[in-house]
Amino acid sequence: SQTIHQWPATLVQPVGSPLSLECTVEGTSNPNLYWYRQAAGRGLQLLFYSVGIGQISSEVPQNLSASRPQDRQFILSSKKLLLSDSGFYLCAWSPPPGRGEYFGPGTRLLVL
Amino acid sequence: AQSVTQLGSHVSVSEGALVLLRCNYSSSVPPYLFWYVQYPNQGLQLLLKYTSAATLVKGINGFEAEFKKSETSFHLTKPSAHMSDAAEYFCAVNRGGTSYGKLTFGQGTILTVHP
Repeated sequence: SQTIHQWPATLVQPVGSPLSLECTVEGTSNPNLYWYRQAAGRGLQLLFYSVGIGQISSEVPQNLSASRPQDRQFILSSKKLLLSDSGFYLCAWSPPPGRGEYFGPGTRLLVL
Repeated sequence: AQSVTQLGSHVSVSEGALVLLRCNYSSSVPPYLFWYVQYPNQGLQLLLKYTSAATLVKGINGFEAEFKKSETSFHLTKPSAHMSDAAEYFCAVNRGGTSYGKLTFGQGTILTVHP
């Protein structure tokens, strides 16, 4: 069976510091991968998706970037965090061509 | 373009009562539709999905949803609420037409269950 991991579970960072959140998927190959942000009262916002190694599409312009160095690894990064980057970050995967997405446990980020 | 509207950001029911969470969609192509549940500080869990097979879809935890094309609806129901059903529920539609499977989510409905 497939499992998806995210870490860390919780992170408190100062404004202007860098960020690296990691997501890995087990038990499948060539998954589509997604990063979402869930801010209080604002639902789920798709940030990035990837259909393969090195292939990243950005949904919204922002202070964040994503990379996919390996087939089942997806990384969310920032060089300098903003207060507005606080939120709950969810990684998800789907088997191509996409019949629903399966979510990781999430990382709660608080930028102070 | 696809969109999802969840009617009611908060729904409150008594334990044992019927649960009805409403979802209406807009889609320019035949949609795939999904319901997810999110417990506090956790990721989203897939409850059920409609992918153009049977219009009445049964999911986990006793939930089911019916796809009604004429009403562009995909409401989630459960005959008898349990305290453990208290959570936030999201309806989503697959943007379709691509191989990416990107979902568009509704704003969510928080379900409260009273003893």
